[in-house]
Amino acid sequence: QQQVKQSPQSLIVQKGGISIINCAYENTAFDYFPWYQQFPGKGPALLIAIRPDVSEKKEGRFTISFNKSAKQFSLHIMDSQPGDSATYFCAAKNPYTGNQFYFGTGTSLTVIP
Amino acid sequence: DAGITQSPRHKVTETGTPVTLRCHQTENHRYMYWYRQDPGHGLRLIHYSYGVKDTDKGEVSDGYSVSRSKTEDFLLTLESATSSQTSVYFCAISERGADNEQFFGPGTRLTVL
Repeated sequence: QQQVKQSPQSLIVQKGGISIINCAYENTAFDYFPWYQQFPGKGPALLIAIRPDVSEKKEGRFTISFNKSAKQFSLHIMDSQPGDSATYFCAAKNPYTGNQFYFGTGTSLTVIP
Repeated sequence: DAGITQSPRHKVTETGTPVTLRCHQTENHRYMYWYRQDPGHGLRLIHYSYGVKDTDKGEVSDGYSVSRSKTEDFLLTLESATSSQTSVYFCAISERGADNEQFFGPGTRLTVL
């Protein structure tokens, strides 16, 4: 019940297109949903995050859409750029298990020039 | 990397030997985490700490132990390394608060022959 399911595993998008990555969860105790971006050889870095009382959050070209009733959330990257090519992880935090974070399996995004 | 260092950054060792990885933070954050990252599995929590001398098990804790004698240091020990523990290990920190952002270190690539 602590799982976070992420799809797709890999994604190829043309420059200027929209990249969409989806995540689903079961545990309604989760109270914080971050997305991380990871470049090869580096640690994950926080990209954007949302709390379950908000349905959408936008920061520049990155938007999280959150559907509490469906227990789903997604990352949208508008006007995708080659520099966005990276692995993206969704995650969820359970405040009742020592602030543990549960991660999706990752999506490898390639943006073609 | 938000004041987080990991040492060593790369290590090759043999099956059956003990290995200790170190995470050091300069942020004075309360929570510290050890994850392993493997293809197809994303990030999986090994152990975490919610204060000095306060630690708990994560999802994949078998074969690992941790210690935290100071706020800034969190050690991960592989008691008797096995080939299945070949992985990239990430340390992360977070503070209890409204944003709950988790910061990751640069990672340690461990190869067990």
